[in-house]
Order: sequence, then structure tokens, then C-alpha cells
Amino acid sequence: EPEVTQTPSHQVTQMGQEVILRCVPISNHLYFYWYRQILGQKVEFLVSFYNNEISEKSEIFDDQFSVERPDGSNFTLKIRSTKLEDSAMYFCASTTESFYEQYFGPGTRLTVT
Amino acid sequence: GIQVEQSPPDLILQEGANSTLRCNFSDSVNNLQWFHQNPWGQLINLFYIPSGTKQNGRLSATTVATERYSLLYISSSQTTDSGVYFCAVDQGSGNTGKLIFGQGTTLQVKP
Repeated sequence: EPEVTQTPSHQVTQMGQEVILRCVPISNHLYFYWYRQILGQKVEFLVSFYNNEISEKSEIFDDQFSVERPDGSNFTLKIRSTKLEDSAMYFCASTTESFYEQYFGPGTRLTVT
Repeated sequence: GIQVEQSPPDLILQEGANSTLRCNFSDSVNNLQWFHQNPWGQLINLFYIPSGTKQNGRLSATTVATERYSLLYISSSQTTDSGVYFCAVDQGSGNTGKLIFGQGTTLQVKP
């Protein structure tokens, strides 16, 4: 069964460093998302991406964040200068239509020290 | 924006017991999904259920869209059912499909 994959599973970085989180969505999906979950809290929407551009972003998704689909398979989230408060689990998701079931990857746990 | 409320926040069961988790939402939705977050943090899709009833083994779900709630039933619970259960909705109306999550119900099943 097709699945969304994410790498790395865990990343530790120092404050101020850039990180890139990688996702491979399901191959025939057209809509892509990033969500994050701070430890012990609910999952929050960051950004949606369709037709090679951002469709919607939350207030969390400030200028420090960017997304890219560099080729036909990968979908990346970049944080330019990490802060302590960026420590969280980051989930990638994808779907065929915007109102259909979203499939989530296993997540990348980001720890900023 | 749309509000999603889940109840109860915490639930402790003995193995073999049945339970009902509830998700209330404040506006009409195009998409409603139930997830189980396992101890490793992974979000496991349980149901895509914007309306109607579905069953998958010991789990079933019902969404009454006109009354803006969804229920997740777990029967004959097992210790492996422990974890956090999230309801998430997409409001639609030209929305890009972003899901708004509830706060979750933390379920502990004791042997």
C-alpha cells in the first residue's frame, strides 16, 4: 500500500541553524501539507501546497519557513534559522483532492538545542 | 474559524471494555478524519468519515453532519488501543483542505 515517507525520523540541531525536512508524498497525490505538533499539544496546520505554489499558510508559517517541491517526488520544509520553540514533531501529508482523506507520514521529530 | 472539541479529554478502561469518543465541530465540514497517535508519535488513519457510519474491525465511527458531531466507538478494547485519538476537520468552501485538529482524547487501556 502506498505511503507517505519522511526523513530524517529525528533531527537535532542548534539554535540558529538551518534544517530541511524531507517528505515523499504518495505518487498520484496533488495536494501537500505540513503540520506540526509541539510535545503534548494538538496537531497544527502550517502550510498547504498545490500546483507548485503555496495555497494557504498559517500564522505560524512566517518568513523563517519555506516549502519546495524540487522534483516530481520530494516535498521539503526548510526552517532558515531555528529557534528553541521550533522543537516539535513535523508531519507531512498528501491527498488527491483538497477535501479527500489526507495520508500522513510518520513524522520528523525536530529538537533544537 | 471552525472549532473542534473532543471529549472526554482522558479515558481509562479495563481491557475488554467498550468506549465512545466524541468530536463536536462548530460549522459544516467537507472532511472529517479520526486518527490514532501511537506511542511513537505516528498518526494512524482510522476513518475518513464526513458523514454516515463506517466500521473497521472493533472500531466504528458515525458522523451526523447536520448536528455537527462525530463519534468513535471502540469495542472490546485492548492494551494496544492506548494512545491519543484525534478528530480533524476541513471546513471546505474553497478551503485548501487544511485540517483543524481537536485537542485529542488520551485513552489508557489497562490489562
